[in-house]
Amino acid sequence: DGGITQSPKYLFRKEGQNVTLSCEQNLNHDAMYWYRQDPGQGLRLIYYSQIVNDFQKGDIAEGYSVSREKKESFPLTVTSAQKNPTAFYLCASSIWTGLAKNIQYFGAGTRLSVL
Amino acid sequence: AQTVTQSQPEMSVQEAETVTLSCTYDTSESDYYLFWYKQPPSRQMILVIRQEAYKQQNATENRFSVNFQKAAKSFSLKISDSQLGDAAMYFCAYRRGGDKLVFGAGTILRVKS
Repeated sequence: DGGITQSPKYLFRKEGQNVTLSCEQNLNHDAMYWYRQDPGQGLRLIYYSQIVNDFQKGDIAEGYSVSREKKESFPLTVTSAQKNPTAFYLCASSIWTGLAKNIQYFGAGTRLSVL
Repeated sequence: AQTVTQSQPEMSVQEAETVTLSCTYDTSESDYYLFWYKQPPSRQMILVIRQEAYKQQNATENRFSVNFQKAAKSFSLKISDSQLGDAAMYFCAYRRGGDKLVFGAGTILRVKS
C-alpha cells in the first residue's frame, strides 16, 4: 500500500539529547514536509524539501535539522537546542509542481515527550 | 503574511443533523487554494475537501460542502447528516502556488448520539 510511514509512534528525549524522527514515503512524491502540532494550535511548518539534497526552513526551524539524501526519506532531528520539544510531529508529502492545488498527504505522526 | 482564523474552538452537533464550521483568511492574492482537513482521535490528517479560488462554484464531497465567499475571505465547511465518525478536529488551510500550507488553530467537532 502506498503511504507515509512515521516512526516511532512515541519517543522520549532526555535533557541534552538529540533524537531523530523517521519519515518514509513510497508515493514517489518530490516534496516532503515536517510540521509541529501543539495543543490549541494549528500545524506549524518546521522544514520542507522540494528535491533531494535540498531543503528550506519553515516558520519554526530553530532547534531542528533535516536531511534529504533519498527521495523517499526525510528524517527530522530534534537537537538539544530545542528547549521545548514536547509536541506531536507530522510528516507530509506531495507532488511538487509549484501549484497550490497539490494535496499534501500526512503520516500518522510521532509524539515526542521530554523525560 | 497570510493568516487563517477559525473562531470556533469547539462545536457540537446531534447525529443526523447539520453543522457549519467557520473559517476566515487574510490574503492579498487572487489565485490560491483552500482546504479542510480532518484529524480524528488517531491523529491522522485526512483531506476532506478543497476549493480553488478562481472557481465560483462551491466544492462538494458527499456530505461535505463549502460556502466560499471570496470577497469576504470566508470559507465555511458544512457537514450534513452528521455521523459519529465525523467527530474530530477540523483544520482550515490556505495555500497559494509554490507556497506553504497555512493552517488555522482548528475546531473540535463533537457528535452526540
